[in-house]
Amino acid sequence: DQQVKQNSPSLSVQEGRISILNCDYTNSMFDYFLWYKKYPAEGPTFLISISSIKDKNEDGRFTVFLNKSAKHLSLHIVPSQPGDSAVYFCAASGAGGGADGLTFGKGTHLIIQP
Amino acid sequence: DAGVIQSPRHEVTEMGQEVTLRCKPISGHNSLFWYRQTMMRGLELLIYFNNNVPIDDSGMPEDRFSAKMPNASFSTLKIQPSEPRDSAVYFCASREQGARGNEQFFGPGTRLTVL
Repeated sequence: DQQVKQNSPSLSVQEGRISILNCDYTNSMFDYFLWYKKYPAEGPTFLISISSIKDKNEDGRFTVFLNKSAKHLSLHIVPSQPGDSAVYFCAASGAGGGADGLTFGKGTHLIIQP
Repeated sequence: DAGVIQSPRHEVTEMGQEVTLRCKPISGHNSLFWYRQTMMRGLELLIYFNNNVPIDDSGMPEDRFSAKMPNASFSTLKIQPSEPRDSAVYFCASREQGARGNEQFFGPGTRLTVL
């Protein structure tokens, strides 16, 4: 039973345009959502996170939107650059009151075309 | 800061052999996590420690898997005996106490192949 779903295995976007990556979740207890970026042969790298009490968080070219009623979040990258080509993972954590593990989606491979 | 360090980066072994994966978390981080990535199941949490104490090992697939954290700067994940289905990339991650948003820092991973 997948609690975090990324339904698009891959996405191709032209350089300079907006990339929108989507993520759905089923567990209403999740209180933080995170996006990670992963290059081949490397570990995931943290990009941006959002608390469940917010609906938007922005950091430079990256913005995450959260729609709690729809249990949906999205990552917007504007403008897209060639270095953004990677696999992006959506992750969520529960109300553990402390350290707890992340539940990951299966990732979306973003390809930025020149 | 060197980041999370994992060794070895690659391990090839034969079925039935014991495998030990090692992790050094970022200095000052008090939580440590072991994850496994496979094509079928993606990235999944195996076990995590808080202040060197195992908190949740419900993700450990079988008794063949065990993890220890003898001190704040070292953890091991052991598989004994190993099986071909254990082939995967194993990641270690650490987290700073009180970090908002549960941001975890990942190591480069150990690619395990069991023949």
